[in-house]
Amino acid sequence: AQSVTQPDIHITVSEGASLELRCNYSYGATPYLFWYVQSPGQGLQLLLKYFSGDTLVQGIKGFEAEFKRSQSSFNLRKPSVHWSDAAEYFCAVGGLNTNAGKSTFGDGTTLTVKP
Amino acid sequence: GAGVSQSPRYKVAKRGQDVALRCDPISGHVSLFWYQQALGQGPEFLTYFQNEAQLDKSGLPSDRFFAERPEGSVSTLKIQRTQQEDSAVYLCASRLSGAYGYTFGSGTRLTVV
Repeated sequence: AQSVTQPDIHITVSEGASLELRCNYSYGATPYLFWYVQSPGQGLQLLLKYFSGDTLVQGIKGFEAEFKRSQSSFNLRKPSVHWSDAAEYFCAVGGLNTNAGKSTFGDGTTLTVKP
Repeated sequence: GAGVSQSPRYKVAKRGQDVALRCDPISGHVSLFWYQQALGQGPEFLTYFQNEAQLDKSGLPSDRFFAERPEGSVSTLKIQRTQQEDSAVYLCASRLSGAYGYTFGSGTRLTVV
């Protein structure tokens, strides 16, 4: 069975500081990996995805993530956080079968940005 | 449309009442998903359609939950005889194909009182 663990429930960083959100996954084959962001009262927005190839993937809003197979990790990073980045962040894992439906989500990390 | 549209945004139901939640996916998106998000948790998979075919309903928590997508576009999630534990945000998502991530709607917040 596939699963996702986001070890940090809540992270606080100062505006302008760097950010890393951790994600560990369990999956029996090569996974598809995703990061989503959710602002209060909104649906989830896709930040970036990894399917294959370069293990460092770039996303929207200046985010990037690195896939490390040996560590079963897919950590999200941003070099300089803006106040508007305050939100909840979800990591998700899905299957290689492009016709397969579901992704499994972690429980999220809430990011607070201090001025 | 430009995005995934869900209605209503908020629904308060009395325990035992039936509810119907609507999802209008992005035009042309073959795949449609329903997820349930409890407070403080990540979305949990409910069911998946490819066009009008319901390919996976393994996440539906009980036979009180039913979903349909009769013409391969709009989908309805129906919950019969609602219970308090059904209170959650119900998210709909669509995607063009497996090579893409989901586009989510803003969700329907269901509160059962």
